[in-house]
Amino acid sequence: DAGVTQSPTHLIKTRGQQVTLRCSPKSGHDTVSWYQQALGQGPQFIFQYYEEEERQRGNFPDRFSGHQFPNYSSELNVNALLLGDSALYLCASSGHPGETQYFGPGTRLLVL
Amino acid sequence: SQQGEEDPQALSIQEGENATMNCSYKTSINNLQWYRQNSGRGLVHLILIRSNEREKHSGRLRVTLDTSKKSSSLLITASRAADTASYFCATRQNFVFGPGTRLSVLP
Repeated sequence: DAGVTQSPTHLIKTRGQQVTLRCSPKSGHDTVSWYQQALGQGPQFIFQYYEEEERQRGNFPDRFSGHQFPNYSSELNVNALLLGDSALYLCASSGHPGETQYFGPGTRLLVL
Repeated sequence: SQQGEEDPQALSIQEGENATMNCSYKTSINNLQWYRQNSGRGLVHLILIRSNEREKHSGRLRVTLDTSKKSSSLLITASRAADTASYFCATRQNFVFGPGTRLSVLP
């Protein structure tokens, strides 16, 4: 049974570009959350998707957007990249909103 | 601001010793969860304690919760080098994580 998977594992972009990160939830899970983790900090909640809708959102600008597909996989899109967007982006899935989350290995994004 | 704050920020101990980490939070909670993260990888869920529970055990882990003080502690007994990691507490359905405690267990 595959756990949460994320792609790509690493990514290098330049300021102003756009990026799309992908996440496949654990089998049987329908809820996906995205987090940004800067070096040495705890994860910061970006948003959560359930039933293809954004259910909750953290304090992130509109440059951060997402999508959930009918198979429950999800994408995180970041437009107009800034140097400060460099971080580890974590995806987590759960069987239902509020249940225990299982995290993927993350995508490390570097913005130059 | 962070809902959960772990203390200490860093902890270094010898193998076999016990490690205690604390978490403080600001508002009422339904539950509190502890996670481990190895060297910039994904987080692993360790244990969940509900607001009506005072103590919970899982293997070498013991978690306590004091809702009157809005604090929780994670105790790792008989630590091993493999316990070296960052430990985070999370509240509000996992939407809010603290900055973490970096634990180093020296062989």
